[in-house]
Amino acid sequence: DGGITQSPKYLFRKEGQNVTLSCEQNLNHDAMYWYRQDPGQGLRLIYYSQIVNDFQKGDIAEGYSVSREKKESFPLTVTSAQKNPTAFYLCASSPGRDSRNSPLHFGNGTRLTVT
Amino acid sequence: RKEVEQDPGPFNVPEGATVAFNCTYSNSASQSFFWYRQDCRKEPKLLMSVYSSGNEDGRFTAQLNRASQYISLLIRDSKLSDSATYLCVPTGGGNKLTFGTGTQLKVEL
Repeated sequence: DGGITQSPKYLFRKEGQNVTLSCEQNLNHDAMYWYRQDPGQGLRLIYYSQIVNDFQKGDIAEGYSVSREKKESFPLTVTSAQKNPTAFYLCASSPGRDSRNSPLHFGNGTRLTVT
Repeated sequence: RKEVEQDPGPFNVPEGATVAFNCTYSNSASQSFFWYRQDCRKEPKLLMSVYSSGNEDGRFTAQLNRASQYISLLIRDSKLSDSATYLCVPTGGGNKLTFGTGTQLKVEL
């Protein structure tokens, strides 16, 4: 079955450490996205990529970095510069580069806790 | 005005009731809309896409009012399993989809 896989489901890190969240899709989708969700809040866009080797900052990119070396993979690194990294991180993909006709398909998320 | 506004709720309704909630959006260029359902501590899942004036899928109906810039979601004959948070997503901002904070629905016996 095609889908989006995020791993791990739960991740614990000490403050000051960088951590990389994995996101892989086998849907042959062009576009991929990273969102962050905090308790009681909506999803906020961190980074997105419409094509391999290209990505754009979302609304809250500070303290994060991404790469898109392969179509299937869009890993997110949470750096020590991110002030409040503890959150639920969601990766998504969509078939086309035009969001108007392409709803997002989400992975099941990674819950990151930094202490 | 926020790009997307939703009443956070919670809306507590008895099983079998009809419930509706609105989502207002600020970008008049939005052409299509998505409603997602998100269960507690899970990922959002697409419930419905709206490309014209509305859409209906079983017990769920979405209606778009472009003049007033809101889209509503109506759920008939509510089930306990409908309890979730419903997220509204208007498009129109290029490839950046802005999610509403969601409306929480609790269906009770």
